[in-house]
Amino acid sequence: SQTIHQWPATLVQPVGSPLSLECTVEGTSNPNLYWYRQAAGRGLQLLFYSVGIGQISSEVPQNLSASRPQDRQFILSSKKLLLSDSGFYLCAWSLGQASGYTFGSGTRLTVV
Amino acid sequence: DAKTTQPPSMDCAEGRAANLPCNHSTISGNEYVYWYRQIHSQGPQYIIHGLKNNETNEMASLIITEDRKSSTLILPHATLRDTAVYYCIVYSGGSNYKLTFGKGTLLTVNP
Repeated sequence: SQTIHQWPATLVQPVGSPLSLECTVEGTSNPNLYWYRQAAGRGLQLLFYSVGIGQISSEVPQNLSASRPQDRQFILSSKKLLLSDSGFYLCAWSLGQASGYTFGSGTRLTVV
Repeated sequence: DAKTTQPPSMDCAEGRAANLPCNHSTISGNEYVYWYRQIHSQGPQYIIHGLKNNETNEMASLIITEDRKSSTLILPHATLRDTAVYYCIVYSGGSNYKLTFGKGTLLTVNP
């Protein structure tokens, strides 16, 4: 069966520090991969998506970047965190319409 | 993708059916209706989706009107664990399958 792993579960980082969040998917090949963010009390915002290795599309220009070095690995990064980067970061994968999206358990990031 | 309209909140008694409505009056012929839910502090969970016909799975039933301009998600016997924000999403797919989440409906199941 397919599983998605996302870590860490919680993270507290100072302003100006770098960030690296990793997401891996098991049990499937060539999934579409997504990064979403949910600010406190707000809706889910799509940040990046990838349809293949090295293929990244950005939905919202900001202080973050994404990379997909392997088929089932998706990384969210920042060189210098801002206070506004705080939020709940979710990774998801999909094989298409029939399968819907499967979300990871999320990383709660607090920038202080 | 067509926009959806959902009530911001609903209440339901435990053990009763929860009927969550969604309006999508501008839906086009190739757009699917998806339902997800998000329990507090967790990632969204896929519930069900459909195109034209009514659908049922182990979690819920999806009733789509004949003109496809609205739909209803039915949780047949709501439990306290069904308290969550429920999202109705309409989209046509494509190679990247980008789902856009609205504000959803906060369903509170009361004992």
